[in-house]
Amino acid sequence: QVQLVESGGGVVQPGRSLRLSCAASGFIFRNYGMHWVRQAPGKGLEWVAVIWYDGSKQYYADSVKGRFTISRDISKNTLYLQMNSLRVEDTAVYFCTRDSNWELNWGQGTLVTVSS
Amino acid sequence: QTVVTQEPSSSVSPGGTITLTCGLSSGSVSTSHYPSWFQQTPGQAPRTLIYSTTTRSSGVPDRFSGSILGNKAALTIRGAQTDDECNYYCVLYVGGGIWVFGGGTKLTVL
Repeated sequence: QVQLVESGGGVVQPGRSLRLSCAASGFIFRNYGMHWVRQAPGKGLEWVAVIWYDGSKQYYADSVKGRFTISRDISKNTLYLQMNSLRVEDTAVYFCTRDSNWELNWGQGTLVTVSS
Repeated sequence: QTVVTQEPSSSVSPGGTITLTCGLSSGSVSTSHYPSWFQQTPGQAPRTLIYSTTTRSSGVPDRFSGSILGNKAALTIRGAQTDDECNYYCVLYVGGGIWVFGGGTKLTVL
């Protein structure tokens, strides 16, 4: 079955960088678009970014544009989120999701805390 | 900036029917926004209930249904159970590769 396992979260100071990973299994990774969605503590869901199935296009929420980069490595069945110039307001659980014709399958998330 | 609106809270009696809505700050929601609905209990990952307006995800009971009602997307829960008490989110595709989530509805079953 579809499995998405996020990793790479942790505590980081404002202005620093962090890279999240999402290991995908149980499906043909190269055939699906992938998203990152985040949720700040006690808040709602926020869409962050999407990458096309073939990696040809990436789109970002305004709140992260220019700071975050979504990418994928087909050979490793892994999705990434490179997060630069982190801010306190980026503190959240980050979920990796598979987009199967508009249906989202979710990972369990990884917590990123930005704090001095 | 596109804002997706949801009722902050709603309540239903056990066994009752409730409809939650998902709107746009400007304009009407249509099937072209591919509305999806998610259920989330605190501390857990979201669960997809409905996608592409009306399609139920695998394993979702048929008492959950999606539709367009007027100018909004809607999630209707029939025969509400105490387990349905949690947060519900919608998301809309607003074009240009961009998705926007609503703020969520906290549903109380009492």
